[in-house]
Amino acid sequence: KQEVTQIPAALSVPEGENLVLNCSFTDSAIYNLQWFRQDPGKGLTSLLLIQSSQREQTSGRLNASLDKSSGRSTLYIAASQPGDSATYLCAVKAGGTSYGKLTFGQGTILTVHP
Amino acid sequence: DTGVSQDPRHKITKRGQNVTFRCDPISEHNRLYWYRQTLGQGPEFLTYFQNEAQLEKSRLLSDRFSAERPKGSFSTLEIQRTEQGDSAMYLCASSESSYNSPLHFGNGTRLTVT
Repeated sequence: KQEVTQIPAALSVPEGENLVLNCSFTDSAIYNLQWFRQDPGKGLTSLLLIQSSQREQTSGRLNASLDKSSGRSTLYIAASQPGDSATYLCAVKAGGTSYGKLTFGQGTILTVHP
Repeated sequence: DTGVSQDPRHKITKRGQNVTFRCDPISEHNRLYWYRQTLGQGPEFLTYFQNEAQLEKSRLLSDRFSAERPKGSFSTLEIQRTEQGDSAMYLCASSESSYNSPLHFGNGTRLTVT
């Protein structure tokens, strides 16, 4: 059974800092990994999707890397802003299935203070 | 593209009552998913549709839960004889049929069973 773990559970940083969020998964036979952002009481917003054959993806100040063999992904946020405060979730799609079921981590709660 | 729409946003019901939620996916997406999220946890997969066919159901989906997607457009999730343990955020997502298409989530329906 696939298990996804995110570290740290919570992170508080001053504005302007660069930061790294970590995600690990137990079964390396994944199809892709997706990072999401969730604001309080809201749904999930897709940030980045990394296919299993890729090493990283970038979007603006966000960079996500994937090391499938070691079961790890990181989300790097450059020059953090108060508007980045949210819960960040990673999710993996298991290989061998066409159904798109994602297994999520518990999330990292990020607070960026001015 | 108006995004994934869910209705209602909030539902408070008494234990034992039946409730029904609706999800309208992004119009060109033929895959639709239901997830459940409790406080402090990542979303958990409930069920998946490709067009009108329900192709996978989680063991979390007890006999009291039923989902439909008539005509392959909107979907409904019904919970019969609600229990306090059903209190959660119910999230709907949709995607295109490509294996690497990202999931797009709605803002969810918050269910409180008293």
